[in-house]
Amino acid sequence: EVQLVESGGGLVQPGGSLRLSCAASGFTFSIYDIHWVRQVTGKGLEWVSGIGHAGDTYYRDSVEGRFTISRENAKNSLYLQMNSLRAGDTAVYYCARGDEEATGAFDIWGQGTKVTVSS
Amino acid sequence: DIQLTQSPSFLSASVGDRVTISCRASQGISSDLAWYQQKPGKAPKLLIYAASTLQSGVPSRFSGRGSGTEFTLTIGSLQPEDFGTYYCQQLKSYPLMNTFGQGTKLEIK
Repeated sequence: EVQLVESGGGLVQPGGSLRLSCAASGFTFSIYDIHWVRQVTGKGLEWVSGIGHAGDTYYRDSVEGRFTISRENAKNSLYLQMNSLRAGDTAVYYCARGDEEATGAFDIWGQGTKVTVSS
Repeated sequence: DIQLTQSPSFLSASVGDRVTISCRASQGISSDLAWYQQKPGKAPKLLIYAASTLQSGVPSRFSGRGSGTEFTLTIGSLQPEDFGTYYCQQLKSYPLMNTFGQGTKLEIK
């Protein structure tokens, strides 16, 4: 079965750090772009970061310099290192596969992992 | 940055109705638009990409049209399982800033 499974969410204080993981299975992970998308409870979807199959990385302005996306193809895994966390980063974080044959549309999503930034 | 505006924000319709959701881009994005359905507590599901191409496994009652700045998602005959929130996403600037619309919540009467 093609799937993505996130882990690593939790409660962290403002200014703290957290590392999210996304484990892929059922497809050739190394040839796909993978993204992080977040969603505040009751709100819409917000693209956070992406990493290309060649390792190129992309961030939205509000997380640039604080978040680092990386991948480990040998382990079929994606990571998001989040530093200097703020209350505004509180959200459910999804990893999603970008399919270049679908013009980059996100065709596979994980179930999400919740991040809460609060003192 | 490219902004997407969906309308309406909320929609209530009956089983069997034909429903249309609009998505307007702040600048031309050719056909680089996708539509997703999200149900409460679940991850989004890709319905349509390249503005009008139906994702594998998605029922044919879903269809998409448009190019440039104006796009629509139509559900031909609404079914009870079609409730949820629908989002458009622009992929013109892929893989950077793949903006989503604010969402349209669809309720079944």
